[in-house]
This record gives sequence, structure tokens and C-alpha cells, in this order.
Amino acid sequence: DAGVTQSPTHLIKTRGQQVTLRCSPKSGHDTVSWYQQALGQGPQFIFQYYEEEERQRGNFPDRFSGHQFPNYSSELNVNALLLGDSALYLCASSTSPGEETQYFGPGTRLLVL
Amino acid sequence: TQLLEQSPQFLSIQEGENLTVYCNSSSVFSSLQWYRQEPGEGPVLLVTVVTGGEVKKLKRLTFQFGDARKDSSLHITAAQTGDTGLYLCAGGGDNYGQNFVFGPGTRLSVLP
Repeated sequence: DAGVTQSPTHLIKTRGQQVTLRCSPKSGHDTVSWYQQALGQGPQFIFQYYEEEERQRGNFPDRFSGHQFPNYSSELNVNALLLGDSALYLCASSTSPGEETQYFGPGTRLLVL
Repeated sequence: TQLLEQSPQFLSIQEGENLTVYCNSSSVFSSLQWYRQEPGEGPVLLVTVVTGGEVKKLKRLTFQFGDARKDSSLHITAAQTGDTGLYLCAGGGDNYGQNFVFGPGTRLSVLP
């Protein structure tokens, strides 16, 4: 049983570019949350997707957007990249939006030059 | 805005020693979780505590939730090198634990 998978594992972009990160939830999970973890900090909640809709959103600008597909997988898109967007982007899945137990993927490390 | 503080920020100890790390906030949380994160991996959930004063034990790890549900501690007995990692606490809000707020973490190094 595969856990949460994310792709790519590493990515290098330049300022102003756009990036798409992908996440496949754990089997049986239908809820996906995205977090940004800057170096030396804890993860910060970006948003959560359930039933292909954004249900909750953290304090992130509109440059951060997402999507959830019918198979529950999800994408995180970041437009107009800034140097400060360099971070580890984590995806977590759970069995429902109200479930406290979430399983994290290994993350995608994004470097913006 | 709910904020979590963790202390110490860094901790380096010898194998076999005991240690305690702390997670504090001025806000009340409906639940609090502890995770361990190793380099190149995502956080792995260790425990969830939901009741004020609750104590949970997981082998050599003891977790306590403060009576007022604003703070928590993690105690490790006889630390092993495999305990090395970043220990994160995360507080759940009113919405059944969603929209978790994470602390900055305590980076623990257990030396052989």
C-alpha cells in the first residue's frame, strides 16, 4: 500500500516563473492538504482540497492555487515565483476533512534563483 | 493568530540520557499533535492528545497535554541514536483539528 507520493522531489526555478507540484494521496484517502516548510521552520498550512474544491486556506497569496482531480490526486501551482518561495512543499492526506490524523509525503524541495 | 513556540530550538545529548522538549502557546487548542521529521522526509505523526492533562506513552516517549490545553511536553527516556530528528508540535483549531498550526520544531541530535 503506497503512502503519499509527491513529484518531483527537487526543482529549481528562476524568479517570475511558474511551478506545478503534484501529490497522490494514500490509498483510501480523499482529502489533501498542502504545506510550505521554509528552512528551519515548521510547516505552514497553504490550503486543503476535498471533493475537488478548496475547503480551507491559510495565509498565502493568490499566487498559490491548487486543484484536486476525481482520483483525489492534487496539484499545487505557484505563479510569479519569488526568492522567498524557496521551501519544502509538503502534501498530506487524510480520510476526511474532519480527520485529525494526516499522513505526509516526502515533499518537493523548490529552489527559486 | 494562533502561535506555537518550541524549546529548546536545538538539543544535543549522549545516547542513554533523558530529555524533555516543550511546546507552548497563549492559545487554547482542541488537540495537539507531535511529529518527528527526518531529513528528506515528511513529518511522521507520533501522537495526538485531546484532553487537558492527558498523558500518553509510546514506548520510551511520554507526551503530556497541559491542563489548560495551551502547552505540551515530550519526554524521552534513555534516548537512542534513532531518536535523532526534528520534533514538531502542531495545534488543531476549532474545526476538528483541521488547519493545523505548527511550531518551529526542536532539532534533537543523539550522539553514540
